Amino acid sequence: ETGVTQTPRHLVMGMTNKKSLKCEQHLGHNAMYWYKQSAKKPLELMFVYNFKEQTENNSVPSRFSPECPNSSHLFLHLHTLQPEDSALYLCASSQAPGAGTYEQYFGPGTRLTVT
Amino acid sequence: GENVEQHPSTLSVQEGDSAVIKCTYSDSASNYFPWYKQELGKGPQLIIDIRSNVGEKKDQRIAVTLNKTAKHFSLHITETQPEDSAVYFCAADNTDKLIFGTGTRLQVFP
Repeated sequence: ETGVTQTPRHLVMGMTNKKSLKCEQHLGHNAMYWYKQSAKKPLELMFVYNFKEQTENNSVPSRFSPECPNSSHLFLHLHTLQPEDSALYLCASSQAPGAGTYEQYFGPGTRLTVT
Repeated sequence: GENVEQHPSTLSVQEGDSAVIKCTYSDSASNYFPWYKQELGKGPQLIIDIRSNVGEKKDQRIAVTLNKTAKHFSLHITETQPEDSAVYFCAADNTDKLIFGTGTRLQVFP
């Protein structure tokens, strides 16, 4: 595997379910990101992790809970979601914010549908 | 905070023609401006970027120009091909975060 991978690619869940999204990067990067992509809206940054430490929480509701056990893996735990949370969730990685290198590499995303 | 506006939202061109997508930003402190291409079912892919110490950068059929005084930057695609059809996003950095535009859906007709 190369680049940034995400699983699952598609997820349908009810509002009372608990599920997790997984992201793995094979680029040796130290920063990882979660974005939400909704139709006709800009990509919304949700969380940033730098060397496993959360450095950004962009006012995301607590029903989204990120976890970064190491620099290569990132999870997004979901519980009691709302239908408006249906979107494409993208993971990205970069060498590190503030390191003078900002190139972010994205995974293919998880298409989430909340019923 | 930073705000990025992108125009047009959709763009249709004939194969072989040029395509131009424009973005404006609000924070004069921003100094990194990447462009991403997103094909159906895939994540955004970085295609070109420019930093504020240069005014223009070119990579084969793709070029980006930056006007820091006017706070706008543009993506130019020449000799368009059907495989250029995708959604293109501009972005500007803001205190180590990327702020994205709303995207331009480019359709290239053969």
